[in-house]
Amino acid sequence: GAGVSQSPSNKVTEKGKDVELRCDPISGHTALYWYRQSLGQGLEFLIYFQGNSAPDKSGLPSDRFSAERTGGSVSTLTIQRTQQEDSAVYLCASSLDRPPTDTQYFGPGTRLTVL
Amino acid sequence: AQSVAQPEDQVNVAEGNPLTVKCTYSVSGNPYLFWYVQYPNRGLQFLLKYITGDNLVKGSYGFEAEFNKSQTSFHLKKPSALVSDSALYFCAVRDNNAGNMLTFGGGTRLMVKP
Repeated sequence: GAGVSQSPSNKVTEKGKDVELRCDPISGHTALYWYRQSLGQGLEFLIYFQGNSAPDKSGLPSDRFSAERTGGSVSTLTIQRTQQEDSAVYLCASSLDRPPTDTQYFGPGTRLTVL
Repeated sequence: AQSVAQPEDQVNVAEGNPLTVKCTYSVSGNPYLFWYVQYPNRGLQFLLKYITGDNLVKGSYGFEAEFNKSQTSFHLKKPSALVSDSALYFCAVRDNNAGNMLTFGGGTRLMVKP
């Protein structure tokens, strides 16, 4: 079946611009996660959406980062006033939301480069 | 706080030989442990997980991992390595007391040479 999809696959932007990254989870998965993979910091958790509950935003590095999930499906991660340190691969994952034992399945990621 | 350590940045093994990729963890509650593999320019692909029960977990592509509670380890193993196993491997832990996110180790690059 279809896996997690993310778009765009690559994004190059200039410092100070806003960017939006999109994630389509696996159909039927109610939990959605965003992670960031960078050379210096490895894989970091950013935010978690669980059904209709308030999201867990504890991993967002600054108030320039925000995310929303519309209709319990597609999610958009927005980075405002991008900085060079935001350059990374942004990974989205989804699961059936039966923590802590359920498996998170990852999309291919969006590679963000901030010039 | 939960944490994961992968002490080796790179593991080199000859094709056909057994391989081990090491992982140790620290959690306050019960550990739920995962291994993922990442091929170049790809996302993370799930290999296997330990939830409870048998300490030896079998997963995809012939990989297995052994949970050792006393040593707080969850090493990934394969009896006979293939060149196509060359990739970046990540160990991750989830603590039932610390939210639903995965905490990842730094990753280990596995190089299998013909």
